[in-house]
This record gives sequence, structure tokens and C-alpha cells, in this order.
Amino acid sequence: AQRVTQPEKLLSVFKGAPVELKCNYSYSGSPELFWYVQYSRQRLQLLLRHISRESIKGFTADLNKGETSFHLKKPFAQEEDSAMYYCALSDSGYSTLTFGKGTMLLVSP
Amino acid sequence: NAGVMQNPRHLVRRRGQEARLRCSPMKGHSHVYWYRQLPEEGLKFMVYLQKENIIDESGMPKERFSAEFPKEGPSILRIQQVVRGDSAAYFCASRDRPNTEAFFGQGTRLTVV
Repeated sequence: AQRVTQPEKLLSVFKGAPVELKCNYSYSGSPELFWYVQYSRQRLQLLLRHISRESIKGFTADLNKGETSFHLKKPFAQEEDSAMYYCALSDSGYSTLTFGKGTMLLVSP
Repeated sequence: NAGVMQNPRHLVRRRGQEARLRCSPMKGHSHVYWYRQLPEEGLKFMVYLQKENIIDESGMPKERFSAEFPKEGPSILRIQQVVRGDSAAYFCASRDRPNTEAFFGQGTRLTVV
């Protein structure tokens, strides 16, 4: 069975500090991995997908198949990064998403 | 394009009543997904529909829950005889074809009293 684990419910950092939101997964095939973000009172939106290898809003995520991880990183956190972050995976051929429980990121001034 | 629209945003039902949740996908999108988020949990897949067809309902509870996506009109998630455990946020997502970005609605928060 596929599963996504986000071990931290809450991550609190100061502005300018590095951020790493952890995500581990279990899946027998070759999944697609995603990070979704939900800002306060807004809808869930896609932040990153591993196949695009982009940096969005300064965030990057590298898929590590050996460690089955897809951690989200940003070198210098900004206050506007405060949000709920969800890691998700999809069977690349199928397209339904399995989500982790989410990590709330709070960036203080 | 207004994005994925869900209504109502908040719904209160007494135990035993029926709840109807609506989802209008983005224009041109024919693939709709429903997810449920229980308190302190991540979103859990319920059902995947394409116009007039249920593609995958493996996440749907076996009883009381049904979903449809008619040729015309929004997708409907219907919960009959609601119980307190049905209280959750229900999210709808749409995409124009598989393996493209899924766009989410703002969700319907169902409270059963």
C-alpha cells in the first residue's frame, strides 16, 4: 500500500533561517511526488512536482529513491511562506493522489 | 476562469439527514476527484469520475455515500443518513486529462450535529 509520512505537524522558524520539511513515502513502483501548499483561507495549490525539477518561490525538493524521501527545502524562509504544506504521491499512470497529514510552517519575524 | 467551485462552503446537518456537496470543475475539465479530510488527517481519496462515469470509487465508504458527474451540471457527492463521523472537509479537484496539474476547490466543511 502506498503511504506518505510527514513526521512534523508544526515547524516554526525565524525569518531568514533555512527550512526543511520532511516527507517520506512507501510505494512499490515509480511514483510521482508533489508538494502542495495551502495559505490561510486559500485553496490547496500545487507548489512542486518532482519531474519538473523546478524551484518555485525559492523552494526545491529532490527525490531520493534510496531513502524514499522528497524533502522540501528553502535556504532563507520568508514570513509569507507561513502555510500548511502537504506532500503527496501519485501512481504516474493513474493520477489519484495520496497525501501526508501535512506540516504547518510558521515563519516569525 | 473562476477555478474549481464548491458549494456550499459550510454545511450543517443533523444526524440522519442527507448532505449534498457540489463541485463545478474548471472550464474544459472532465476529470473530477473527491477527497475527504478528517480532523488532524491528510486528504484521503474517495472517488474519481469522468463525465457520466465512475472511474475509481475505491476510497468511498461502501454504504451511504454516492457520487455522480452528469453530462450537464456539477459533480455531486451525496451522503445519506449522516453520522457524526462524517464531519470533515470535503475537497474536489479537477484536471483536463490525467497526469496534468489537478486544481482544487476551497472545500465544503460538513458538520453533523
